[in-house]
Amino acid sequence: DAGITQSPRYKITETGRQVTLMCHQTWSHSYMFWYRQDLGHGLRLIYYSAAADITDKGEVPDGYVVSRSKTENFPLTLESATRSQTSVYFCASTFDRSGNTEAFFGQGTRLTVV
Amino acid sequence: DAKTTQPPSMDCAEGRAANLPCNHSTISGNEYVYWYRQIHSQGPQYIIHGLKNNETNEMASLIITEDRKSSTLILPHATLRDTAVYYCIVRLSDAGNNRKLIWGLGTSLAVNP
Repeated sequence: DAGITQSPRYKITETGRQVTLMCHQTWSHSYMFWYRQDLGHGLRLIYYSAAADITDKGEVPDGYVVSRSKTENFPLTLESATRSQTSVYFCASTFDRSGNTEAFFGQGTRLTVV
Repeated sequence: DAKTTQPPSMDCAEGRAANLPCNHSTISGNEYVYWYRQIHSQGPQYIIHGLKNNETNEMASLIITEDRKSSTLILPHATLRDTAVYYCIVRLSDAGNNRKLIWGLGTSLAVNP
């Protein structure tokens, strides 16, 4: 199916474990983004990528690692999960062009770190 | 990117127009106004955007004041499925500027039967 998909939708992990959240888009969008959403906060950018093999930090990158070996995939890894990383994570993508460049979001991954 | 101010919550009767205001008094001349909404437990969804002129699409209308310091999103005939949090964001047009979006807490719209 065309679109942007995240997996898993729900994940429970233990403190200290490594966990990877997957994001896949079928549009060949250049830009991809990872956000986290917590109660009392708006969406906060963790990392973004302008193209394959090009990534950069966002507002809250500490404790996270990303990679972009293929245009369509943008996995987010928590190297050693902490309870403060319990959150809902959203992946988004957009074309690289001027004008109407709205972001398309995945359905989110609800991560609980116990 | 400019910051925006929105009321935290609003109510609307089903079938009536929902008018959601947004203040963006520090917007610069080349920044667009974007609106997204987020239905419970889903990812944000793009609604509409504009620069100076009023815009309309199948989902909503966007009215931007002449001085561009504020705007209003209009859902002409609100339904229960329009119950969501609505975000007003201003940003430059290039795609990379999506990384600079400042997402506030938006307006939680409740459409009542």
